[in-house]
Amino acid sequence: EVQVLESGGGLVQPGGSLRLSCAASGFTFSSCAMSWVRQAPGMGLEWVSGLSGSGGATYYADSVKGRFTISRDNSKNTLYLQMNNLRAEDTAVYYCAKEGPTRHFDFDYWGQGALVSVSS
Amino acid sequence: QSVLTQPPSVSAAPGQKVTISCSGSSSNIGNNYVSWYQHLPGTAPRLLIYDNNKRPSGIPDRFSGSKSATSATLGITGLQTGDEADYYCATWDSSLSAGVFGGGTQVTVL
Repeated sequence: EVQVLESGGGLVQPGGSLRLSCAASGFTFSSCAMSWVRQAPGMGLEWVSGLSGSGGATYYADSVKGRFTISRDNSKNTLYLQMNNLRAEDTAVYYCAKEGPTRHFDFDYWGQGALVSVSS
Repeated sequence: QSVLTQPPSVSAAPGQKVTISCSGSSSNIGNNYVSWYQHLPGTAPRLLIYDNNKRPSGIPDRFSGSKSATSATLGITGLQTGDEADYYCATWDSSLSAGVFGGGTQVTVL
């Protein structure tokens, strides 16, 4: 059974840092591109960042470029999102999502989400 | 302001049909595949349609997708109360080198 499980959310002050993790199981992790998608309170889904199965190609939304870093450890079947210089507008539920086998930017499995709150 | 434009809400009576539009441009929908998701806040989004018009296993054929030029459409027939949720289109934007989601459409069953 395919599972992706986020962890690492919490409350952080503006300007602070947080690292999210996403533990994956039930599929060949190193073969699958992964992304982070977030939903701010009262807002829609927003794609944040993605990377290839090897981790060699990374992509970011303009809203987080230069502040967030996506990475993966294929030996641990884990995806990460390092978030620095956090702002109030980064407050959201962050979802880890596995790209489907067609590799056409479609996400067939999602985690339950990790809540990140940025507030003083 | 989302790169992809969806109507904020649509509604219909049980058993009826709704369609949700997703309008983009040549850099996103026009040259990339579109996927659709069903989402209840606080839960994991669910993939309904991939590659413009394909359904994953387990998704009923009441859900359909289509694409024409720079627009895509999700159709839901035989509307049920359990279909009340937010629906999102998504695709890759080649100019931005980034993924993009529509603003979302809330479906209400009257």
